[in-house]
Amino acid sequence: DADVTQTPRNRITKTGKRIMLECSQTKGHDRMYWYRQDPGLGLRLIYYSFDVKDINKGEISDGYSVSRQAQAKFSLSLESAIPNQTALYFCATSDSLQGQNTGELFFGEGSRLTVL
Amino acid sequence: EDQVTQSPEALRLQEGESSSLNCSYTVSGLRGLFWYRQDPGKGPEFLFTLYSAGEEKEKERLKATLTKKESFLHITAPKPEDSATYLCAVQAGSNDYKLSFGAGTTVTVRA
Repeated sequence: DADVTQTPRNRITKTGKRIMLECSQTKGHDRMYWYRQDPGLGLRLIYYSFDVKDINKGEISDGYSVSRQAQAKFSLSLESAIPNQTALYFCATSDSLQGQNTGELFFGEGSRLTVL
Repeated sequence: EDQVTQSPEALRLQEGESSSLNCSYTVSGLRGLFWYRQDPGKGPEFLFTLYSAGEEKEKERLKATLTKKESFLHITAPKPEDSATYLCAVQAGSNDYKLSFGAGTTVTVRA
């Protein structure tokens, strides 16, 4: 089984619908992230969480929300999906050394979302 | 704002034909520079971390080097299984949580 599991792997939806992407991990890491990948733009950070009570916005959080249900679970929601949210979404985890991010991220296999 | 630019966007190589990928960066106080490999339909997979100019890291046919403004990923005698997209990312000293990624270089190695 994968260390970082994302569901669903593929989803097609319509404009205005609410969508949730889920992520669970068995790495035992406290830090979890949601990234978005678009062709030619690289990976961009949406939200990150350093523990269950800590949620922070990344560089492109507008239109998204997250929930950290447990140390191992971090979900991303699109309250009202729009076509320009069509992208490949990745969940990632990381460890920390003395409270500092090691920079080594462990990614899930991605969730491809298409908004029509 | 941190910026990472990778070149070329795509690279087609014959098996055994060595080449280099470039990652130019602008960051306030580099904490680390990272290379990842991404296969189609998969998430990125960590390869290397470089912390200071002059540092080098090697793994099989890959060698990463770092200067104060750029990093190179050298692929020596590549094989078809080295075909992937290679991503570069930087972490600034002031942003413990965030990696800024480049758009990647897609490498195709033909047998």
